Amino acid sequence: KAGVTQTPRYLIKTRGQQVTLSCSPISGHRSVSWYQQTPGQGLQFLFEYFSETQRNKGNFPGRFSGRQFSNSRSEMNVSTLELGDSALYLCASSLLGRGNEQFFGPGTRLTVL
Amino acid sequence: KQEVTQIPAALSVPEGENLVLNCSFTDSAIYNLQWFRQDPGKGLTSLLLIQSSQREQTSGRLNASLDKSSGRSTLYIAASQPGDSATYLCAVSPGAGGTSYGKLTFGQGTILTVHP
Repeated sequence: KAGVTQTPRYLIKTRGQQVTLSCSPISGHRSVSWYQQTPGQGLQFLFEYFSETQRNKGNFPGRFSGRQFSNSRSEMNVSTLELGDSALYLCASSLLGRGNEQFFGPGTRLTVL
Repeated sequence: KQEVTQIPAALSVPEGENLVLNCSFTDSAIYNLQWFRQDPGKGLTSLLLIQSSQREQTSGRLNASLDKSSGRSTLYIAASQPGDSATYLCAVSPGAGGTSYGKLTFGQGTILTVHP
């Protein structure tokens, strides 16, 4: 069974640009969550999608958004990039969300110059 | 607001030692607790999931315990090997009620180094 895949693996952008990251969950999983990982703040929850609906959102500005498609694949978008957005972005999939084991992808390393 | 703390922040041990990593959380109303390992620059690998109604889970050389009432969990690694070197993270899932679906709250992790 294939694991969670994320594309691209690495990205370099400049301030003010926007970026779109993609996540394909494990087959059959309907919940996708996104996390930001930085050395200073650790792992922080961004949002979670289930059946194309955002069920929960973390404490991030509106520049961070996401969506989920009917095949459960998810994308997150960050507009007007700032230097502080440099981080490892991880997505996790689970069968139904709360209470289920979450499986993480390899992450997308975003560098903002 | 749930807060998760992991002690120690870093640990260095010789190969073959048994070791214990600690995780504490402030709100005992959790649904489950999950232990992960993360290799440098990589994603998270799930090690063990303990439901709130369980006291422990075992997988190979790993054993995780949960004391929900006191807000504590431990990860025991038996006969450590250099390949166990990684960052170990614990994360809790919120309890029943509310809309915190799919949200894990993580500790800062314990960096483990096992030297030959």
